[in-house]
Amino acid sequence: GENVEQHPSTLSVQEGDSAVIKCTYSDSASNYFPWYKQELGKGPQLIIDIRSNVGEKKDQRIAVTLNKTAKHFSLHITETQPEDSAVYFCAASKGSNYQLIWGAGTKLIIKP
Amino acid sequence: DAGVIQSPRHEVTEMGQEVTLRCKPISGHDYLFWYRQTMMRGLELLIYFNNNVPIDDSGMPEDRFSAKMPNASFSTLKIQPSEPRDSAVYFCASRKQGPVNTEAFFGQGTRLTVV
Repeated sequence: GENVEQHPSTLSVQEGDSAVIKCTYSDSASNYFPWYKQELGKGPQLIIDIRSNVGEKKDQRIAVTLNKTAKHFSLHITETQPEDSAVYFCAASKGSNYQLIWGAGTKLIIKP
Repeated sequence: DAGVIQSPRHEVTEMGQEVTLRCKPISGHDYLFWYRQTMMRGLELLIYFNNNVPIDDSGMPEDRFSAKMPNASFSTLKIQPSEPRDSAVYFCASRKQGPVNTEAFFGQGTRLTVV
């Protein structure tokens, strides 16, 4: 079955710098790759997603890139701010009738 | 819509007691998911429903765990009897069915502590 690996488990960056979180997946049939942000005491919330027919997607300071050949995708956060501190999860799915397979999560710490 | 609503937010119970967690999905959503989150094991899918029918319960750890969805607006996750290792945060999520994947909306979670 599908397996999603996420690195690093913890990432500490200076405020204003960029942060990059990487995920790899095993099932080449996967075609949907969302990223969720979980703040303390809350449930995960979708921040951006990408489908396999697109290589990159941006939304203000957040971007996701997908390399289907290498089976990996990454989350990029530029000009990090204190409110970016959270746990970030990547996931992969083969389609709308399939469940999401989740990465283990990355704790992002923004140092003032 | 108020989003996915879970109750209670916190539950402390003694080992051996029955625990029932409740979830109200977003109206109109076709899928409902129950997750468990711990530091050691991360986010684990326990079971999910499509149109109130259980589709995959392979993530349910033991027979002590059961889940029901009697109608489109309510689901329960029951643990009987509870054990200390069941202590975790339990999330309910829902999403709409469509030709492509749609966003899953999570509730605030229920923090369960079994002493």
